[in-house]
This record gives sequence, structure tokens and C-alpha cells, in this order.
Amino acid sequence: QKEVEQDPGPLSVPEGAIVSLNCTYSNSAFQYFMWYRQYSRKGPELLMYTYSSGNKEDGRFTAQVDKSSKYISLFIRDSQPSDSATYLCAMSAQDAGNMLTFGGGTRLMVKP
Amino acid sequence: NAGVTQTPKFQVLKTGQSMTLQCAQDMNHNSMYWYRQDPGMGLRLIYYSASEGTTDKGEVPNGYNVSRLNKREFSLRLESAAPSQTSVYFCASSERQGNSPLHFGNGTRLTVT
Repeated sequence: QKEVEQDPGPLSVPEGAIVSLNCTYSNSAFQYFMWYRQYSRKGPELLMYTYSSGNKEDGRFTAQVDKSSKYISLFIRDSQPSDSATYLCAMSAQDAGNMLTFGGGTRLMVKP
Repeated sequence: NAGVTQTPKFQVLKTGQSMTLQCAQDMNHNSMYWYRQDPGMGLRLIYYSASEGTTDKGEVPNGYNVSRLNKREFSLRLESAAPSQTSVYFCASSERQGNSPLHFGNGTRLTVT
């Protein structure tokens, strides 16, 4: 079993929909959680960065961490065709040299 | 501001050939990384350099070597390419090792036949 699991998709939604992207993990020591967005044939770019549990909002994006369930989510409100990309979750634990462990990514398609 | 620059963008090698992937960053970051990305496998760390003058193995180091040439540059060498090394290779940098957001280049797409 992988340490970080992500549904690969593709997830197809109409423009304007609320999108929920999720990751589950098995290592309870993970404390730092990140979401990266990767457009086709490009490198990943950091979207959101959270520490421990709770919510963090940035414009149309909300990152949520539930450490008790070992579950993190990224919500996208009013989704746009430009949000079509692969979304990667990543996390790290202080006792592993803080090196990031990535999920496999979820491909999102927002249709006009 | 270029960020992280990788060369070449594409490469085709025959089994047994060697090559070096180049990476340079202009953000004055201390730490640099090499990842490979394969379908369904996510990003896997090959090697990293926490600071200038140091390098360490990541999750999948076999078949690769690295050199931290200076603070800006970090190269990845395949001494004898194998078909299993067909992948997309990403270089990344961060201010410091761990819990510091990674900044990625746009990748090198390598095919080994």
C-alpha cells in the first residue's frame, strides 16, 4: 500500500462547479501538507501549504486537513477551464528529514 | 526571473548510452532535488542536495549519479541508460531542506530504447 493515496481520475466537471480533490495517508507523523498543480508538459507549481489540522483559504481554493482521519482535501469553488490540470498532494514528517512524499495526482477536467 | 531551468527538454537514448541532465536555479536556494515522474507513481526522489557541497540518496537512486557543481547548478548523470529509466525528470529547488516549498523546472522527457 502506498503511503499517500490519490484517486487518479480523470475527474470531469462543468464550469462553475465546486470541485473536491482528496488524499488519504497512512503515516500519522505527517505534519506539513501541500497541494501542487501541474499543467500538461509543465512542472508542478505550489498551490497551497498548510501545517497540521484545519482549513486554509486562498481565493477560490480551500485546503482542509483532518489528521484524525488521515485525510486532506482541496476544494475549488467556481471552477474554470483554466483549472484543468493534474493536482498532486504532498506531505512530510519532521522525523523523515522533512522530505516530501507525493500522491500520484488527480487529473481534473473543467468543461466550458 | 527564470526560476529553475532544465536542459535538455527532450532526449532519446539507446540502451547503454550515457548522458547528463542539467539544472540551474536563480533563486539563491540552498537545496536542490532530482525527481522522476512515471504514470501512476507520482514523483519519486532520486537524489537531493541539502546545501552546496552535500548530496544524498533519495528513494530511487540506483543507476544515477549527481553533482552539485555550485549553489546554482545540480546535474544528474545516467552512466548506462536502461529502458526502465524512461521517464520525465524534474529538478526542483527550495530555500532549505524540508518543509520548504519546492520550485520545479519544466522537466526533461527521456526515452531509452
